[in-house]
Amino acid sequence: SQQGEEDPQALSIQEGENATMNCSYKTSINNLQWYRQNSGRGLVHLILIRSNEREKHSGRLRVTLDTSKKSSSLLITASRAADTASYFCATAMYSGGGADGLTFGKGTHLIIQP
Amino acid sequence: DGGITQSPKYLFRKEGQNVTLSCEQNLNHDAMYWYRQDPGQGLRLIYYSQIVNDFQKGDIAEGYSVSREKKESFPLTVTSAQKNPTAFYLCASSMVLAGNTGELFFGEGSRLTVL
Repeated sequence: SQQGEEDPQALSIQEGENATMNCSYKTSINNLQWYRQNSGRGLVHLILIRSNEREKHSGRLRVTLDTSKKSSSLLITASRAADTASYFCATAMYSGGGADGLTFGKGTHLIIQP
Repeated sequence: DGGITQSPKYLFRKEGQNVTLSCEQNLNHDAMYWYRQDPGQGLRLIYYSQIVNDFQKGDIAEGYSVSREKKESFPLTVTSAQKNPTAFYLCASSMVLAGNTGELFFGEGSRLTVL
């Protein structure tokens, strides 16, 4: 079952604008992660935020986490054509079993118009 | 270079045949995973392994089998019992982060097409 759901499914903006993607999930989590996937390629990790953190930055990326609303957002500032890709959120649930994987949403397809 | 290597990148199979997808990592990670991705969809977990000689079923294990004889290797066999095997298969590995799943490192994927 899909734990995370990204919104919007697709987003097209002009180069230089900011892009915001949202993710909602259903059950309590240990951490939430964002990944990027270029067409036909593997996923690349962008950022991990733990359940006791509210905001995290990495370069032009800003991630927020609201555990009371079970939601997260990914902001990409000053977008570039090279940011065109699909972006996925993924959750690690609390587990006594250890590293039992992440549950992924369906992704947001971001297109940056030059 | 450290990373994950998947092979083959493209694979064609006739109905009724088993195929094995290779996944090798040199990151010294304990945990390894296989995911399936269908067009326009997210990733779904097939199998995962946290230590050598041990593995667990994910959400969609039916029709698949794995082995973990070495820490570096986690091959996936798509058997003839898998009803709709055409998909993009992704292998990943991770360290165990405080008893939970940390950052996943992915291979470049294997695209399987059943003719």
